[in-house]
Amino acid sequence: DTGVSQNPRHKITKRGQNVTFRCDPISEHNRLYWYRQTLGQGPEFLTYFQNEAQLEKSRLLSDRFSAERPKGSFSTLEIQRTEQGDSAMYLCASSPEAYEQYFGPGTRLTVT
Amino acid sequence: GDSVTQMEGPVTLSEEAFLTINCTYTATGYPSLFWYVQYPGEGLQLLLKATKADDKGSNKGFEATYRKETTSFHLEKGSVQVSDSAVYFCALSKGGSNYKLTFGKGTLLTVNP
Repeated sequence: DTGVSQNPRHKITKRGQNVTFRCDPISEHNRLYWYRQTLGQGPEFLTYFQNEAQLEKSRLLSDRFSAERPKGSFSTLEIQRTEQGDSAMYLCASSPEAYEQYFGPGTRLTVT
Repeated sequence: GDSVTQMEGPVTLSEEAFLTINCTYTATGYPSLFWYVQYPGEGLQLLLKATKADDKGSNKGFEATYRKETTSFHLEKGSVQVSDSAVYFCALSKGGSNYKLTFGKGTLLTVNP
């Protein structure tokens, strides 16, 4: 039984570039969440999918951020025109039911 | 909005010492409460949970009791081991908000032999 996987694990980019992260949830998990974690803080909710439908987006998700989950399987999170403030760990979690969320290892983004 | 407050870290203990990490929450309605653990270089793992008042979650020797009267969910372990060194996060979720997790800032625990 494979867990949640995220790729890439690390990404270094220059300010102004676009980046895309991928999350592969545990198969058959219909709920998928993205969070962002900065140094010394707990993860903060970004967005939520139930199957392919994006049902909630945080105010943290500016217009430069977009997320998709085509066919209700893997998900992508794209950041356009990256800024230094976007540097963080981006976490993906999937869930088969209401309470249990299983987290991936995260993608660490560094914007220089 | 909903929020979680954890005791400031870092916490440093000797092996076999008693551990308490305080967690209090502010939320409307009836949230579910969680403790997650993040070992060095690894992702977040669910440690234990409690879904209603007076429930006790337990796992790997850790326990926490959902106290609605004090809005608390303190994490305890009777005898810590070096392998318990990690960052511990308290979190809550609610059905009315798609069960998204609201986390505290985390508490770094270091256990020395």
